Amino acid sequence: QVQLVQSGSEVKKPGASVKVSCKAAEYSFTTYAINWVRQAPGQGLEWMGWINTNTGNPTYAQAFTGHFVFSLDTSVSTAYLQISSLKAEDTAVYYCARRNDYDGGVFDIWGQGTMVTVSS
Amino acid sequence: SYVLTQPPSVSVAPGQTARIPCGGDSIGTKSVHWYQQRPGQAPVAVVYDDTGRPSGIPERFSGSNSGNTATLIIDRVEAGDEADYYCQVYDGISDHRVFGTGTKVTVL
Repeated sequence: QVQLVQSGSEVKKPGASVKVSCKAAEYSFTTYAINWVRQAPGQGLEWMGWINTNTGNPTYAQAFTGHFVFSLDTSVSTAYLQISSLKAEDTAVYYCARRNDYDGGVFDIWGQGTMVTVSS
Repeated sequence: SYVLTQPPSVSVAPGQTARIPCGGDSIGTKSVHWYQQRPGQAPVAVVYDDTGRPSGIPERFSGSNSGNTATLIIDRVEAGDEADYYCQVYDGISDHRVFGTGTKVTVL
């Protein structure tokens, strides 16, 4: 079954780093871009940016330049989101999503989400 | 940056039609996607490219897009349609994907 499977919940202290993984299954990983979306508690969806799974080139939304890094390991069909220097306001659910450019760029497959909690 | 505006909430009785607007400058010139997010779950695409319906999505879900407003239409609303709904577009000027503010649909 075509899916994206994300790593489990994380609890981190302010100033620490976290790396969230997003593993693709049952489709050609390099055919579709991976996008990242943040959802803070009780809030809406925020597009963070995307990574080209062919070239590894990342693009970040304006609000997410700085301590967010997208990366890949194509040998295991996995995308990563690393967040460094964590702050309380980084507490959120982080989703990866496959962008289907054959259907107008819709995010047609989503990971289950990874909850990152930043607390001292 | 490009802004998409949705009403915070829409209420509808079972069996009736829900219309969820998404406002944006000349949104009719863009391709609009719609996502349903039930509580505690990941979003799911219910309409793509203004009017397309992904595999597995009921025919009760449809979309329209013209001028400055795109609309998600849910016919014969059921209790299971209670969720948050988000519109989304690609803004070519900023090269960014943009989500609407989200609408909570309540089935009375």
